[in-house]
Amino acid sequence: NAGVMQNPRHLVRRRGQEARLRCSPMKGHSHVYWYRQLPEEGLKFMVYLQKENIIDESGMPKERFSAEFPKEGPSILRIQQVVRGDSAAYFCASSPSWGLKTQYFGPGTRLLVL
Amino acid sequence: GNSVTQMEGPVTLSEEAFLTINCTYTATGYPSLFWYVQYPGEGLQLLLKATKADDKGSNKGFEATYRKETTSFHLEKGSVQVSDSAVYFCALSAPTGNQFYFGTGTSLTVIP
Repeated sequence: NAGVMQNPRHLVRRRGQEARLRCSPMKGHSHVYWYRQLPEEGLKFMVYLQKENIIDESGMPKERFSAEFPKEGPSILRIQQVVRGDSAAYFCASSPSWGLKTQYFGPGTRLLVL
Repeated sequence: GNSVTQMEGPVTLSEEAFLTINCTYTATGYPSLFWYVQYPGEGLQLLLKATKADDKGSNKGFEATYRKETTSFHLEKGSVQVSDSAVYFCALSAPTGNQFYFGTGTSLTVIP
């Protein structure tokens, strides 16, 4: 049973470009969460999605950031017009409907904005 | 609100030493508590969890007991190995909502 998959593992962008981060949850999991880890800090919640629905986006910056989890395919975290402060590790986690209180994390995407 | 406070690192121990990493929390109601471990360049792996007061989570020689009276979930291991070198995160999941709240992490280095 494959774990949570994220790609790319490393992403380099110049200021003003767009970053797209992908997450495929564990098989059978329909709940996806995105977290951001700034250097030397813990993970901070960004958004919680189910298939085709955003359930909680209270941790998402109001501008430039968006997330989706379509009926088919991976969840996407999109960052438009990236700035240096967006440089961080972005982690995706998933959980099954019957076990929402345990989340399983992917390896993360490390975004570097030049 | 919900929050987790972890012992500041970094922590350096000799192999076979006893490990304690302190974690205290603030939460409304009865949260579930977790320890995750992050090896260099990797994602977080669930190490152990406890879902109610006085529960003890254990895995790979690590233990933590959910203490509601002291709002703590300290991580312990009796004899650490070099392979335990990693960053350890304490986290809670509130009774309502689905987001996790993480501590800032404690870096552990075990030297031979």
